[in-house]
Amino acid sequence: DTGVSQDPRHKITKRGQNVTFRCDPISEHNRLYWYRQTLGQGPEFLTYFQNEAQLEKSRLLSDRFSAERPKGSFSTLEIQRTEQGDSAMYLCASRQQDEQFFGPGTRLTVL
Amino acid sequence: QKEVEQDPGPLSVPEGAIVSLNCTYSNSAFQYFMWYRQYSRKGPELLMYTYSSGNKEDGRFTAQVDKSSKYISLFIRDSQPSDSATYLCAISAGKSTFGDGTTLTVKP
Repeated sequence: DTGVSQDPRHKITKRGQNVTFRCDPISEHNRLYWYRQTLGQGPEFLTYFQNEAQLEKSRLLSDRFSAERPKGSFSTLEIQRTEQGDSAMYLCASRQQDEQFFGPGTRLTVL
Repeated sequence: QKEVEQDPGPLSVPEGAIVSLNCTYSNSAFQYFMWYRQYSRKGPELLMYTYSSGNKEDGRFTAQVDKSSKYISLFIRDSQPSDSATYLCAISAGKSTFGDGTTLTVKP
């Protein structure tokens, strides 16, 4: 499969725990994006990498959120001290020129 | 006011109908215009993209952009039950800004 993959697909955690999600983009794509989507809303931009450089972060990305793309390939998104309001679908997308392709998402539930 | 406003729906049409889905945007810096289809609990699937005013056709789908009015549309001809999904417009100048989606149901 040459599409964008995300792991895990589902994560249930207790409030206050840390969680980490992984995204593997399409191999030749140098741009990688993280979005968050809640029910009834469109995806909201969180952050963006060009190769290994994190070029933009949304104001939505509080200090509890951190993202890395250490070798310009896969990326991780970590949420520390999760809150119930963090419950959402976390989507990764990769892009080369005009076309942006999404992964299947990681659905996070914070109890 | 949101940067991208999408007709909220929901929309229910009989099989074979022509469907029109619409978005408006406020930022003239936006360069790329995309339409995604999203099934429940799945990631968005890219349907079409364009960066110029005018029409772009792909099979039963036509994307229309009017930059002077800041208005984009997606038309679906001969709609099928399998087209039932949420449709998202996305407008990009680097990162993408999405509408909140229109849920379409095509009834057999």
